[in-house]
Amino acid sequence: EIQLLESGGGLVQPGGSLRLSCAASGFTFSSYGLSWVRQAPEKGLEWVSLINQYGNTYYADSVTGRFTISRDNSKDTIYLQMNSLRAEDTALYYCAKRDTSGRYYFTNWGQGTLVTVSS
Amino acid sequence: QTVVTQEPSFSVSPGGTVTLTCGLSSGSVSTSHHPSWYQQTPGQAPRTLIFSTDTRSSGVPDRFSGSILGNKAALTITGAQADDESTFYCVLYLGSGISMFGGGTKVTVL
Repeated sequence: EIQLLESGGGLVQPGGSLRLSCAASGFTFSSYGLSWVRQAPEKGLEWVSLINQYGNTYYADSVTGRFTISRDNSKDTIYLQMNSLRAEDTALYYCAKRDTSGRYYFTNWGQGTLVTVSS
Repeated sequence: QTVVTQEPSFSVSPGGTVTLTCGLSSGSVSTSHHPSWYQQTPGQAPRTLIFSTDTRSSGVPDRFSGSILGNKAALTITGAQADDESTFYCVLYLGSGISMFGGGTKVTVL
């Protein structure tokens, strides 16, 4: 069974930093890309970032230059380093497994970790 | 700035049919955008329904179907049931690793 377990969320002040983790199991981690998708309170889903199986990284305009996605294939884990956090970054952050067969969709989702940016 | 557009809300009667659409602020949606659809109920993670325009994910009932209608992607629910009451999101692949969600359509079954 594929599982994605996010952690690392919490309360942080504006301008602060936080690192999220997503531990994966149930599939050959190194062969797949994974994304972060967030959802602000009472709002829709927003794609944040992707790291593919080759380690190439991609970001939404809203986080470019502030967030960094990375992966550790020895730990079956991806990370999201979030710097210069703003109130508008407050959201539930989901980890999502990406299809690897050129179909560009999210196959599995975690349950999310909550990030609150507030003074 | 590219925006993926969805209707904010729809209402459908039990047993009825509803078609949700997913468009692009700049141009037409095609199969090369690899449209996918996700269902989310309050407090739950999204569930993958449709990928590659019209392929149902494992375990998804066949009352859900995807297509291209005109210049938009579409999700049709045929024979709506009470537990279909959810918010539905489309995602389009814009190239260069970038995916974009629509704003979501809240479907009410009543």
